[in-house]
Order: sequence, then structure tokens, then C-alpha cells
Amino acid sequence: GQQVMQIPQYQHVQEGEDFTTYCNSSTTLSNIQWYKQRPGGHPVFLIQLVKSGEVKKQKRLTFQFGEAKKNSSLHITATQTTDVGTYFCAVNSGGSNYKLTFGKGTLLTVNP
Amino acid sequence: DVKVTQSSRYLVKRTGEKVFLECVQDMDHENMFWYRQDPGLGLRLIYFSYDVKMKEKGDIPEGYSVSREKKERFSLILESASTNQTSMYLCASSLRAPQTQYFGPGTRLLVL
Repeated sequence: GQQVMQIPQYQHVQEGEDFTTYCNSSTTLSNIQWYKQRPGGHPVFLIQLVKSGEVKKQKRLTFQFGEAKKNSSLHITATQTTDVGTYFCAVNSGGSNYKLTFGKGTLLTVNP
Repeated sequence: DVKVTQSSRYLVKRTGEKVFLECVQDMDHENMFWYRQDPGLGLRLIYFSYDVKMKEKGDIPEGYSVSREKKERFSLILESASTNQTSMYLCASSLRAPQTQYFGPGTRLLVL
């Protein structure tokens, strides 16, 4: 099935620093979704990217889909303690529109 | 707001017991999913359903079965629980593929 590599596995930052997590695939993706899971919580949808080179912003979060549609990134500007959690990318797998394969996630911790 | 509920937040069972995990969504979504989440392994798809009485295997279906008799309800069944099925189980639903998946709060299952 579709594999997606997500790096880094962990990231610890000081409040106010920037943060970026990356997802990489060996094959061209039809779309990519990003989710956030707070500690003790469940994954919550953030955004979906579909177009080559697409960039979307949500306040301090910037999402990017690569030109070749094989990679994506999530960048947080000036992290806050409320950004703590695990960020997952998810892609359609096995040629199915139904099945999502999740990256293993990046755990972000923020030191106040 | 979409609401996905799961029957239990925490569950303790003994090896060999039959275990039922229930999931209900209130937004008339077509698709429902069961995942398990383990440290270092991320979210892995067990089974999904795209219609009533329809089901398809995910990436790790062994040891599990599912039932979808009504559109709003999707049950995960562990026929004979084993200790390696100790995990966090997350249910999700989506209106149609490949749209946003909405997750329930999760059931943390401990098999002794």
C-alpha cells in the first residue's frame, strides 16, 4: 500500500520559535490531508491539499503541496503552547479513495 | 458539528473474551472506519465500510471483524481478545471519499 514518510518524529521548541514537519512519498499523490492530535485527544482534520504547488494558510499555519505532488509540509510560525500535539499527514492508499494511510506523525512540544 | 461517539473510553478485558466496540455518528455519513493507534506505529486501518452491510479490510484486519447493520453504527468485534490487541481504538466517519475524516474520542482497550 501507499507509504508516506513523515519527519521529524519529534520536535521540541521554545515558545515563539518556528516549526516544520514534512511528509514525503515515492509516488505521486492525488491529495494530502493534515490532522492534529492533542495529547489525550483524537485526530482533528486541519486541511486538504489537492493541487500541485498549492499553499494554504490558517492563521500561523502554512501548508504546502509540492510541485510534483510527492511531498508536503506544515509550517507553524511563532509557536504557542496551544500548538502542542502530534501532527499527521494522511494520503489515499492502494488506489482507493476510501482508505487513508497516515504518516507516523510529528510530536511537537513547546517550552513556555 | 459532526459527532462521532464511541461506547467506552476505557475497557479492560481478559484474554479469550469476545469484545464489542461500538461507534455511532450522527451526520448521515456514508463511510466509517476503525483504526488502532500504537506508539511508534501511528494510526493503522483495521476495517472500513462505505455502505450499510458493506465492509472492506484495511491494513491489519487479522483478529478483527466488523458489522454495519445501520448507517450510523459501525461495530468492531474482537472474536477472542489477545494481549497484542491492547491498544487505542479510534472510529472515524466521512461523508464521502476522499473527504475529511471525523474521529471519535477513542477507546483505550487493555487485554489482560
